[in-house]
Amino acid sequence: GDSVTQTEGQVTVSESKSLIINCTYSTTSIAYPNLFWYVRYPGEGLQLLLKVITAGQKGSSRGFEATYNKETTSFHLQKASVQESDSAVYYCALGDQNTGYQNFYFGKGTSLTVIP
Amino acid sequence: NTKITQSPRYLILGRANKSLECEQHLGHNAMYWYKQSAEKPPELMFLYNLKQLIRNETVPSRFIPECPDSSKLLLHISAVDPEDSAVYFCASSRRDRDTGQLYFGEGSKLTVL
Repeated sequence: GDSVTQTEGQVTVSESKSLIINCTYSTTSIAYPNLFWYVRYPGEGLQLLLKVITAGQKGSSRGFEATYNKETTSFHLQKASVQESDSAVYYCALGDQNTGYQNFYFGKGTSLTVIP
Repeated sequence: NTKITQSPRYLILGRANKSLECEQHLGHNAMYWYKQSAEKPPELMFLYNLKQLIRNETVPSRFIPECPDSSKLLLHISAVDPEDSAVYFCASSRRDRDTGQLYFGEGSKLTVL
């Protein structure tokens, strides 16, 4: 089947420290997976943080970056220096872009708390 | 994201009937309902592509989707159950292959007493 695994349910980091949130994916049916990181801030809906649709490429946004690694089937999210405003829930997602619509598989999410 | 609006934002129900509404102003061709229960990832409930229902996951029959036009999506819920307490997200996407992402509304939080 197709799935996404985020091993950490909750992460606490001090402000200005570095961050890595792990994400691995598995697929048996998707020929060309698209990979995404979505973020949900308190009281808001899910927002796209970054996406990469080509293996080997890196996506970046708001200081976050993630590299699509086909060999290790990973798409870890990293940031060199976190801020308190980064506190949110982060979801890794695997997309199968079929004709006309998206078939998405979300990880369970990682709740990030940044302490000042 | 004000381009996908959902109403109501908060809903507290006993065993009653209610409808959730969603409207997107992005010109997208596909619309989705996702359910997100506490501590779980969003789970796809229904998917409409060009107003045609083409995905219907194993969702209880008390949930009935409706797509009156390509920009609107409804979710009718009858006789809600406590397990239905969750946030229901509407989402949309374009047909264009290059886009490759879902756009989400802010969600409708349903609390079943």
